[in-house]
Formats: sequence, structure tokens, C-alpha cells
Amino acid sequence: GAGVSQTPSNKVTEKGKYVELRCDPISGHTALYWYRQSLGQGPEFLIYFQGTGAADDSGLPNDRFFAVRPEGSVSTLKIQRTERGDSAVYLCASSLTRGQTDTQYFGPGTRLTVL
Amino acid sequence: AQKITQTQPGMFVQEKEAVTLDCTYDTSDPSYGLFWYKQPSSGEMIFLIYQGSYDQQNATEGRYSLNFQKARKSANLVISASQLGDSAMYFCAMREYAGGTSYGKLTFGQGTILTVHP
Repeated sequence: GAGVSQTPSNKVTEKGKYVELRCDPISGHTALYWYRQSLGQGPEFLIYFQGTGAADDSGLPNDRFFAVRPEGSVSTLKIQRTERGDSAVYLCASSLTRGQTDTQYFGPGTRLTVL
Repeated sequence: AQKITQTQPGMFVQEKEAVTLDCTYDTSDPSYGLFWYKQPSSGEMIFLIYQGSYDQQNATEGRYSLNFQKARKSANLVISASQLGDSAMYFCAMREYAGGTSYGKLTFGQGTILTVHP
């Protein structure tokens, strides 16, 4: 079946602009996660959803970052007033539930470049 | 303190040989899960293997096995019979129960770049 998809694959924007990154999880997966990966580093957690609600948003770096999942499927990560430090690959993952053994399956990521 | 430590920035192995990638972790939670992911140059994170903290046996998945030493808090990945396609970045990650809240985020290490030579 189809895996996690993310759009766009690449996004170049100017400092101060607003961007939206989209994630389409595996069908039937109730848990959805956003991570950010800087060059040469491991992914860092941003937020995760169980259904429509954000169960843990402790990784969002500041209030410029916001994410939604209004119907419990597709999620959008929104970044306001982008800064050059926001440049990174944004990864989305989904899992069937949120149990200990549940594997998170990742999408190909969106590479964000803020000029 | 680092929750996941991967001390080998880069590793080299000859094709068809076995290689061990190191991972140590830090948690006070008795219930946790350990994962290994592979990230080729294309960028996608590929799940390889999972080990639960209460599992009695070391996990195995094809050519991948996890050498789980709970007392040492280590979870090393062993790749047997290396192939050229195994050349990639490898990440160790941990999921904790976090004292009453539900399982959720993975905490990743810095990664190890594996290069397989023909």
C-alpha cells in the first residue's frame, strides 16, 4: 500500500514568509508525528497527534510553529515569519496506534530552505 | 545528558563481512523501546528492527540483529553479510513511556555513516 507522503518535497522561501508543509499518513494510522532534521544530525521531535488532537507538542521550538490535523488524517505544519535557522528537512511519520511496540513509518521529508 | 549515544561517526566494512554499530541509551523508565533506522542518501528513514525493554530474546530481522545488553544500556545493531546497498546513515532511537504519559516521540542518536567497500 501507499506509504507516508509529504508535499512539497522542496520548499525555498524568504526570511519572514509563511510556509505550510503537508503530510499524508498511511491509511488507517491514528498516530502522526513531525520531526525536524538538520544536516548531519538525527531527527528531533516536534509534535505528535493521536487522532485530531495534539497529544504532545513539547518539541515545537516556539510559537511560530503550529500544526493541525483537523480530520484525523492529513496534517499540516505551519511556520510563521520563517527564519534562516528554520532551514532543515521536516519529516513526518505515522503509526497504527501509539503503543510501545508500534513502528513509526517515515515519509520522504520536505527540505525547507529559508533564504 | 544525551539519551541516545552513537559514538561511531563513521564505519567501514568489506562486502560480505559483518559489522556492529554501537548504541548506548540513558533512561530511568523501566518500560521503553529501542529502534534502528536506516537513512540512505535519498533521505527516507527506513525501519530496520525493534527491541522492547522486557523482551527476553535479542531481536532479529533477516540480516539485522540487535545485541541488547540491558545492564549496560546498550543496543548494538549487527549487520551480517554486508552488501553495497547497506551503505547509509544508521540511527538508533528510543521511545520511553515517560512516567504515565503515553508512548509517543522517538529520541534519536547522532547517527553512524556506514560505508561498504566492494
